[in-house]
Amino acid sequence: EAGVAQSPRYKIIEKRQSVAFWCNPISGHATLYWYQQILGQGPKLLIQFQNNGVVDDSQLPKDRFSAERLKGVDSTLKIQPAKLEDSAVYLCASSPTGSGSTEAFFGQGTRLTVV
Amino acid sequence: GNSVTQMEGPVTLSEEAFLTINCTYTATGYPSLFWYVQYPGEGLQLLLKATKADDKGSNKGFEATYRKETTSFHLEKGSVQVSDSAVYFCAPPNDYKLSFGAGTTVTVRA
Repeated sequence: EAGVAQSPRYKIIEKRQSVAFWCNPISGHATLYWYQQILGQGPKLLIQFQNNGVVDDSQLPKDRFSAERLKGVDSTLKIQPAKLEDSAVYLCASSPTGSGSTEAFFGQGTRLTVV
Repeated sequence: GNSVTQMEGPVTLSEEAFLTINCTYTATGYPSLFWYVQYPGEGLQLLLKATKADDKGSNKGFEATYRKETTSFHLEKGSVQVSDSAVYFCAPPNDYKLSFGAGTTVTVRA
């Protein structure tokens, strides 16, 4: 079974530029999560999709971050414009359902450096 | 709401030492409980889980028992290896989303 795929693995951009990350979850998984993990901290949930609907985006900085999950499969996370403090690893995860009784599967993440 | 209190790190051990990372939770009912691990440069992965009270989850020599009387899910390993160096997360039980605290960084020295 293929795992969660993310691209790119690394990205370096200048502040005020825009960037997009892509995630392909495990086939058939209804729930998709995007997390931001700043160095030395735990992952912070940015947005959770159930199929192609948003379940929770309470911690997503909506003035600069946006995310979509077209057709309930792949997802993209965009930052525009980027700030220095957006430097982090962006993790995508998926699970079969949104229930807390099932595990989530994570991709390797995209490491973003904003200079 | 549901939450966990996890032992803060960092923790540094010698190879073959005993490791325990405390985790206590507050929750409504008896949700499934999870320990995740993050190795350097990787995403998180499920280490073990327990789906009901008195269940013991185990994997890679790690164990955790779901104890409802003490609302705890402590992670233990009897003899750690250098390859166990990682960040360990006790995931707060939640019916609909998966969130994490800062985790416990464990470093095992040869």
